[in-house]
Amino acid sequence: DAKTTQPPSMDCAEGRAANLPCNHSTISGNEYVYWYRQIHSQGPQYIIHGLKNNETNEMASLIITEDRKSSTLILPHATLRDTAVYYCIVRASGGSYIPTFGRGTSLIVHP
Amino acid sequence: EAGVAQSPRYKIIEKRQSVAFWCNPISGHATLYWYQQILGQGPKLLIQFQNNGVVDDSQLPKDRFSAERLKGVDSTLKIQPAKLEDSAVYLCASSGTGTPNTGELFFGEGSRLTVL
Repeated sequence: DAKTTQPPSMDCAEGRAANLPCNHSTISGNEYVYWYRQIHSQGPQYIIHGLKNNETNEMASLIITEDRKSSTLILPHATLRDTAVYYCIVRASGGSYIPTFGRGTSLIVHP
Repeated sequence: EAGVAQSPRYKIIEKRQSVAFWCNPISGHATLYWYQQILGQGPKLLIQFQNNGVVDDSQLPKDRFSAERLKGVDSTLKIQPAKLEDSAVYLCASSGTGTPNTGELFFGEGSRLTVL
């Protein structure tokens, strides 16, 4: 699976949009981009995933560049409860794969 | 739908003692993962099961760690003897293979181990 690069930390004001970047320049054509977040003392929680097209759900939006070498997770109206570590991983569809997590981005949402 | 269950939530032991962690995945999920998460780091995969077979255990320290998944459902991760550097949170996750399959992993709350 391709490796990912994320900034170690970011901060955001409550109510504003949080844009978390992820670089995955070695991504293969059949690899999806997944985002998880981990709130303190809990296991990681799935947020969203995508292949080529931008995706949106009730939690966030995922913007993937046309060349698929990077993506951005957008939390449109960040709240204090969004303070967490956010992980971007890439994985192939189907078959056997090994989900590998990096250090992620620690997002702090401040009042 | 019940989530991934893990126990115990917390365990404190002395070095050279043994410990076991239990995981019950979401019903019907064929794939089960054990991750080790040291403070300040991302989760590191220790072992991955597909039903009751091992898919990958390349990062499992086999001289002291063992894991099994009997009957392709529950799983147990054991450490014997424990070392100070084994202090970490041990996360269990599962994923399904049905359709639609988003491929997402569902994590338990983890078992926090402190080795003194």
